[in-house]
Amino acid sequence: EDKVVQSPLSLVVHEGDTVTLNCSYEVTNFRSLLWYKQEKKAPTFLFMLTSSGIEKKSGRLSSILDKKELFSILNITATQTGDSAIYLCAPNNNDMRFGAGTRLTVKP
Amino acid sequence: GAVVSQHPSWVICKSGTSVKIECRSLDFQATTMFWYRQFPKQSLMLMATSNEGSKATYEQGVEKDKFLINHASLTLSTLTVTSAHPEDSSFYICSAKAPSGRTDTQYFGPGTRLTVL
Repeated sequence: EDKVVQSPLSLVVHEGDTVTLNCSYEVTNFRSLLWYKQEKKAPTFLFMLTSSGIEKKSGRLSSILDKKELFSILNITATQTGDSAIYLCAPNNNDMRFGAGTRLTVKP
Repeated sequence: GAVVSQHPSWVICKSGTSVKIECRSLDFQATTMFWYRQFPKQSLMLMATSNEGSKATYEQGVEKDKFLINHASLTLSTLTVTSAHPEDSSFYICSAKAPSGRTDTQYFGPGTRLTVL
């Protein structure tokens, strides 16, 4: 059975802090790993990772995939209150199951 | 970028009625669409995978006779919640897979908030 585990489930930090969110997975027919940010409505796409060891960056966010150890991390540096959201990861295979998500709260 | 629409964005209905939610991919053809349900403060739970022209594949614990899925074309999938009850009140989100090079990218609709009275 496919498994997706995200940690921590919840995280409270102050503006300016750096956070690392974890996603581990065990799925069949793995093709890529997707990260999403969800605020009030539907998730918005952040990254798609297909190759191990190649960091993807978008502003203060970056992510990397380790296909051997079956995990990915999402880093956010110099956090801002606008980063408060649920961050979801999903291995891309025939099914698209999400992890439980990490609820990040950034305090001023 | 690819766009997926959902309609309606919110609906309130009486217990026992049926509600249909539409999911459309507006600028690409989606051979596969997914339906998720999300309860407050919880993650997206996959309900079913919908493939164009074939029967949907339901996740364990999801009643196929209650949540009817029809993927009639490459741009439209519908979810019908039959005989809705208050416990079906939730946020329903669809997504569509668009081929992107060698791997597929998934795009979400804006979601439908269902409230059953």
